Amino acid sequence: DVKVTQSSRYLVKRTGEKVFLECVQDMDHENMFWYRQDPGLGLRLIYFSYDVKMKEKGDIPEGYSVSREKKERFSLILESASTNQTSMYLCASQTVPTYEQYFGPGTRLTVT
Amino acid sequence: AQRVTQPEKLLSVFKGAPVELKCNYSYSGSPELFWYVQYSRQRLQLLLRHISRESIKGFTADLNKGETSFHLKKPFAQEEDSAMYYCALRDNQGGKLIFGQGTELSVKP
Repeated sequence: DVKVTQSSRYLVKRTGEKVFLECVQDMDHENMFWYRQDPGLGLRLIYFSYDVKMKEKGDIPEGYSVSREKKERFSLILESASTNQTSMYLCASQTVPTYEQYFGPGTRLTVT
Repeated sequence: AQRVTQPEKLLSVFKGAPVELKCNYSYSGSPELFWYVQYSRQRLQLLLRHISRESIKGFTADLNKGETSFHLKKPFAQEEDSAMYYCALRDNQGGKLIFGQGTELSVKP
């Protein structure tokens, strides 16, 4: 069974704080993704990575950065958290060639 | 532009009734389409993909290129089908998936 884990299920941070969200997968997948999930907006892609040290912007990268130092770990960083970044954050890893994505349980981040 | 549209935010049916969750896409070429499901307090997971043409938990989805649709259907809804459903399209460059806005299915007893 593919396992994708995220460091926290719930997180509460203050405006202006730097926030780290960690994601780890155990299936040796090359591809990893970060999404935010908001009611009525579906899943929106923040950043993705097809290999170690590689990263690509998704549809809504503003205010975020990522790090992929090891194949199994993909970190999302909020440089200076703002209230409009309150959301559910989902990490996924992907197998090729089926392109099925496996999701983590999500981190519900609240910025006050 | 590549896009996935799920026109219904909420679909409410009674147990035993047929269900159809709509998905329309915009894409040039041969699309790869998926349905993902998220049950309450569970992680998002793949339900089915059009390439495999399989039926999972009684759900099927047929790709209609003429209507650019990939609607998800089940002849008899069950209460345990209540969940959020997302349609997704693989980007024509690499493995990115483009997700629709999601449809919440509520099956009433």
